[in-house]
Amino acid sequence: EIVLTQSPDTLSLSPGERATFFCRASQSINSHHLAWYQRKPGQPPRLLIYGASSRDTAIADRFSGSGSGTDFTLTISRLEPEDFAFYYCQLYGTSRTFGQGTNLEIK
Amino acid sequence: QVQVQESGPGLVKSSETLSLTCTVSGTSTSGYCWGWLRQPPGKRLEWIGCVYDTGSTDYNPSLQSRVTMSMDTSKKQFSLRLSSVTAADTAMYHCAREGYFYSGGYKTYAFDIWGQGTMVSVSS
Repeated sequence: EIVLTQSPDTLSLSPGERATFFCRASQSINSHHLAWYQRKPGQPPRLLIYGASSRDTAIADRFSGSGSGTDFTLTISRLEPEDFAFYYCQLYGTSRTFGQGTNLEIK
Repeated sequence: QVQVQESGPGLVKSSETLSLTCTVSGTSTSGYCWGWLRQPPGKRLEWIGCVYDTGSTDYNPSLQSRVTMSMDTSKKQFSLRLSSVTAADTAMYHCAREGYFYSGGYKTYAFDIWGQGTMVSVSS
């Protein structure tokens, strides 16, 4: 089973800064099957990115995804106050595996 | 607006069967896999499985022996049954739609519609 490991566990930044999240797969994956989600307290996850780099409907263009093979990145170009949340990567496959998440907190 | 909403008991006794229902609104159930996911406290999200409107199912191999899912298309509801529960099954349970997308010529899937979730605790 492929394991997704996210880093860092916690990211402390200020509004206006750039945020970069990493997701590493335990073996090479089809990048088209990699998604990213945002989760705020008391809310369900929200799909941000599918296919490693395609934004879902109504997702702001400050969110972007990239990567291939085993290493993937989610970038928020300029943080807005509403962006502080947990972020998860997820792989479509036999087990629809999720990463453990990164907590983006206000510095 | 497409929505899904979970319902069911918040407390289940150890060794018994957990049963949840999800109601779909704002869209047809046709063409999608309608799934269940959970997140135990302090742990990562885990996909349990999904069911198509045809009744066909796809389960996480790690839970397959204990999971049963079904769909009632007339009511636009789908259900989860998880047998022989233990404390390890205590979690926030979400129902979700597994949407499909096209990425660079590939058809891929991701969870695009989620319910708010329902907390289920297993008691001894």
